[in-house]
Amino acid sequence: NAGVTQTPKFRILKIGQSMTLQCTQDMNHNYMYWYRQDPGMGLKLIYYSVGAGITDKGEVPNGYNVSRSTTEDFPLRLELAAPSQTSVYFCASSPHQSGSSYNEQFFGPGTRLTVL
Amino acid sequence: DQQVKQNSPSLSVQEGRISILNCDYTNSMFDYFLWYKKYPAEGPTFLISISSIKDKNEDGRFTVFLNKSAKHLSLHIVPSQPGDSAVYFCAARRVNAGGTSYGKLTFGQGTILTVHP
Repeated sequence: NAGVTQTPKFRILKIGQSMTLQCTQDMNHNYMYWYRQDPGMGLKLIYYSVGAGITDKGEVPNGYNVSRSTTEDFPLRLELAAPSQTSVYFCASSPHQSGSSYNEQFFGPGTRLTVL
Repeated sequence: DQQVKQNSPSLSVQEGRISILNCDYTNSMFDYFLWYKKYPAEGPTFLISISSIKDKNEDGRFTVFLNKSAKHLSLHIVPSQPGDSAVYFCAARRVNAGGTSYGKLTFGQGTILTVHP
């Protein structure tokens, strides 16, 4: 299994440009997540999905959009890039979460995005 | 509003000694607490978790302690090894009022652990 893969690894955008960060997992996990990590800070949840066709906002959703048409893929879209979106973006997936146990989230290697 | 805080940005320890990483939280709706480890240019990897109804969980060299009354948890690594040098994130999982969890995690800022040979 490749686990969680993310493309691209690095990207530089100009202000106002758009791009899609790709995320794919081959573990047949229902749950998928997008986080961003700013320097010296912890990861913050942008969006999450509990299954194909179902997405919801996390802590910092403004400026982003997501879709989940398949179990495997969970792309993150930036429509009008701003310098405040300069960050490292991590995608993660996990099996179903219940209240009685914790199923770990598996993270991809990240995409480093710079907006100039 | 920082609901999960790691107040020590860095920790330096000698190989073979104990490493203690600390974490404080404020939200009583957290039901699980986790530690993730992160190497440069990689994604975080899961290390250990503890349910809010427990006070200790052990896995090999790693032990997590939870003090609910103080809203404090700590990760003990004994003995510390140079390969343990990484950023350690404390995280907490939220459960909603109905007891459902979607696995949403709130992370602390991270502590850089350096283990010297």
